[in-house]
Amino acid sequence: GQNIDQPTEMTATEGAIVQINCTYQTSGFNGLFWYQQHAGEAPTFLSYNVLDGLEEKGRFSSFLSRSKGYSYLLLKELQMKDSASYLCAGTPSGGYNKLIFGAGTRLAVHP
Amino acid sequence: DVKVTQSSRYLVKRTGEKVFLECVQDMDHENMFWYRQDPGLGLRLIYFSYDVKMKEKGDIPEGYSVSREKKERFSLILESASTNQTSMYLCASSRGQGGSPLHFGNGTRLTVT
Repeated sequence: GQNIDQPTEMTATEGAIVQINCTYQTSGFNGLFWYQQHAGEAPTFLSYNVLDGLEEKGRFSSFLSRSKGYSYLLLKELQMKDSASYLCAGTPSGGYNKLIFGAGTRLAVHP
Repeated sequence: DVKVTQSSRYLVKRTGEKVFLECVQDMDHENMFWYRQDPGLGLRLIYFSYDVKMKEKGDIPEGYSVSREKKERFSLILESASTNQTSMYLCASSRGQGGSPLHFGNGTRLTVT
């Protein structure tokens, strides 16, 4: 199958930097999305990488290495409101823009 | 701003009932999707549609069907609800081109007793 793997839970301190990793089968996907989901709410789009390298967007950055089947989301200057689940999702080869999601990483930010 | 609206936030149904979950988007998106979200399993794709009256099975279509008679509306149907279909159901839409992000509705928490 087309597996996407990410850690189940992470904790970090307010003001710190945290990196959330995501690995996937290299033959299966065209690009990688990251979504944020607060408890009881809908996922919201954070970033999309289709080329190798780092994409920076304010406090959040996302990295992709297609040859290694590896992506990460980097969150800087953590705030309490960053406590949420972070979902990695791949777009399978073959079109239609459907997404295959990992199980999500629950991040808890502590004071 | 894209708005995806799901008709119910919470729904309680009995085993064997036919259940309709409705979703409407207001941005003229070509693609619409139904996912279910369960703890530890993440979001799993049930069905998607890339055009009116077109539908494709996702990873877990068994026990579900869909209808897309109009571009803005995508309905998920549970033909005969079962307790293992108790879940959070999320509808999403996106533009047709690759790399377009999915926009999600707020979800319907369905409980089947």
